[in-house]
Amino acid sequence: QSVLTQPPSVSGAPGQRVTISCTVKSSNIGAGYDVHWYQQFPGAAPKLLIYGNTNRPSGVPDRFSGSRSGTSASLAITGLQAEDEAAYFCQSYDTSLRIAMFGGGTKLTVL
Amino acid sequence: QVQLQESGPGLVKPSETLSLTCSVSGVSISSFYWSWIRQSAGKGLEWIGRIYASVGTNYNPSLKSRVTMSVDASKNQLSLNLLSVTAADTAVYYCARDKGYYDSSNSFYLYSDVWGRGTLVTVSS
Repeated sequence: QSVLTQPPSVSGAPGQRVTISCTVKSSNIGAGYDVHWYQQFPGAAPKLLIYGNTNRPSGVPDRFSGSRSGTSASLAITGLQAEDEAAYFCQSYDTSLRIAMFGGGTKLTVL
Repeated sequence: QVQLQESGPGLVKPSETLSLTCSVSGVSISSFYWSWIRQSAGKGLEWIGRIYASVGTNYNPSLKSRVTMSVDASKNQLSLNLLSVTAADTAVYYCARDKGYYDSSNSFYLYSDVWGRGTLVTVSS
């Protein structure tokens, strides 16, 4: 079985840099697993933020960046803005079972 | 512009079947993978399953015995059926388009790049 673990909450002041971690514990996700990130505002659908660990879809500000190292992936937000206050979810894919899974989500509060 | 719209009953009785439709515009439904994802109030996202042009499906093992997904290419619509629902199935249900790629080790990955707005389904008598 696969588990993606995120911190329940993070916070930062405007202009600061925050990171959200996503730790993978899985027997079926290989060492080279890829992680995607989604942003969700209250009452709205999730929006793709990062795919394939580091790639930003068109329209996503470069303040958002992703990385992966070992069994962890991270989403970094620089120049924090009030409008970044949202929930962030990581997602990966069990290539053996061909199923997707989400992390529990992280609520970002801009102080 | 790709748009997805979920529709279906907002209220389903316990033990009955939840049936939802996702209408797709702006792209042929036969050309992509499609996922259903749900989210209970105040909770995280739960992947329900995925379908590719009625050729193949993959379901979350925790729901597999109760889930059926299908595609109607003539209407450009997806369908989700969830049998024998309980209160635990109360959630906002989303459909999403999935895009796939191979990484450097030839592992295949999918991510959801376009989402519908979601539809709330409440299970209650």
